[in-house]
Amino acid sequence: RKEVEQDPGPFNVPEGATVAFNCTYSNSASQSFFWYRQDCRKEPKLLMSVYSSGNEDGRFTAQLNRASQYISLLIRDSKLSDSATYLCVVKGGFQKLVFGTGTRLLVSP
Amino acid sequence: GAVVSQHPSWVICKSGTSVKIECRSLDFQATTMFWYRQFPKQSLMLMATSNEGSKATYEQGVEKDKFLINHASLTLSTLTVTSAHPEDSSFYICSARKQGLRFLNTEAFFGQGTRLTVV
Repeated sequence: RKEVEQDPGPFNVPEGATVAFNCTYSNSASQSFFWYRQDCRKEPKLLMSVYSSGNEDGRFTAQLNRASQYISLLIRDSKLSDSATYLCVVKGGFQKLVFGTGTRLLVSP
Repeated sequence: GAVVSQHPSWVICKSGTSVKIECRSLDFQATTMFWYRQFPKQSLMLMATSNEGSKATYEQGVEKDKFLINHASLTLSTLTVTSAHPEDSSFYICSARKQGLRFLNTEAFFGQGTRLTVV
């Protein structure tokens, strides 16, 4: 079983739609969680950290469910510019980041 | 904000030659940097952890004699791919973390990546 698993997609949605991604992780001792965004042939960039209480940043909402070991990302009112690959990232031992394979999102006009 | 600069952004080399990739933290000191490799449609895979002033720690399956890492200063780590082969062609990305009060959730900054093509 992979340490971090994501549905690779792609998720094809129209502009204005709401879309949600889930990610599961295997190490119950993991303490920190993140969502990164990666555009094609570019480096990943931090979208948001995921806190136990859940957090929201504009159109983006992240939630953590420790009991079920999954993390979610909700994007409301999708924009064309949201098209990218969204990486679920878990911080493991020795401060190492473990990346999921990413979920590809395509927002169409 | 903090920036990590990686150079070169792309390189094409002949099989059997060596390629050096540089990773610099521009406005902060990084005692630890990380080197990743990403093959098409796959996730970033950690290759090694670069420690300033000491030997790098390699992940299982990564040849330390092939991927030489040097972290000679608090702002520079280098990865040298020695005797490159076509199967080494990949996207190599470095990362450094700026330590803050909330260490557990300190953001990791990534270099722009280096696309290596070995022909």
